[in-house]
Amino acid sequence: GDSVTQMEGPVTLSEEAFLTINCTYTATGYPSLFWYVQYPGEGLQLLLKATKADDKGSNKGFEATYRKETTSFHLEKGSVQVSDSAVYFCALIKAAGNKLTFGGGTRVLVKP
Amino acid sequence: EAQVTQNPRYLITVTGKKLTVTCSQNMNHEYMSWYRQDPGLGLRQIYYSMNVEVTDKGDVPEGYKVSRKEKRNFPLILESPSPNQTSLYFCASSWAGVRDTQYFGPGTRLTVL
Repeated sequence: GDSVTQMEGPVTLSEEAFLTINCTYTATGYPSLFWYVQYPGEGLQLLLKATKADDKGSNKGFEATYRKETTSFHLEKGSVQVSDSAVYFCALIKAAGNKLTFGGGTRVLVKP
Repeated sequence: EAQVTQNPRYLITVTGKKLTVTCSQNMNHEYMSWYRQDPGLGLRQIYYSMNVEVTDKGDVPEGYKVSRKEKRNFPLILESPSPNQTSLYFCASSWAGVRDTQYFGPGTRLTVL
């Protein structure tokens, strides 16, 4: 079945550091890929998405590129802030599917 | 303000005592769903609803019921809660289905003793 694998956290880094969160997926065809973010005490919010191979999603300084050849959708940010501390979820929807499949989430803690 | 609200936010209960977690959205969304979030497992869908009176099972529906009598409300019912239903629950909604941006509620933390 479909699955999404994320690197385990927590990821702890200092302000202005470079952030990468790895995400790989298993799915047939060409799924759409998403990153959701969950700030402390809140529900999930869509951060960015990509719907086809080589698409780059971007928002709030975060970027992720849909790599079909490596079945990956890694999230990156060049200079993190304390306010980026959150749990990040990678997710997919299959091309003809009706279900969001989430990864296990990666907690990121940014220290001043 | 456009939002999804859930009540209660926190609940501690005992095994077998029926409970309902309410979910309401004010965006006139057709699609609503319930997820549970457990450590290391991400979010798993319990039930979803494409519109009023139309509901279907997600990945983990056992032990849960839902209803969609009005467009804005989608309550989650646990008829006889058990400790393995201790979890963080999220309601979500979107305009036209799972491919649209999902708007999540703030979550309900449920503990079943």
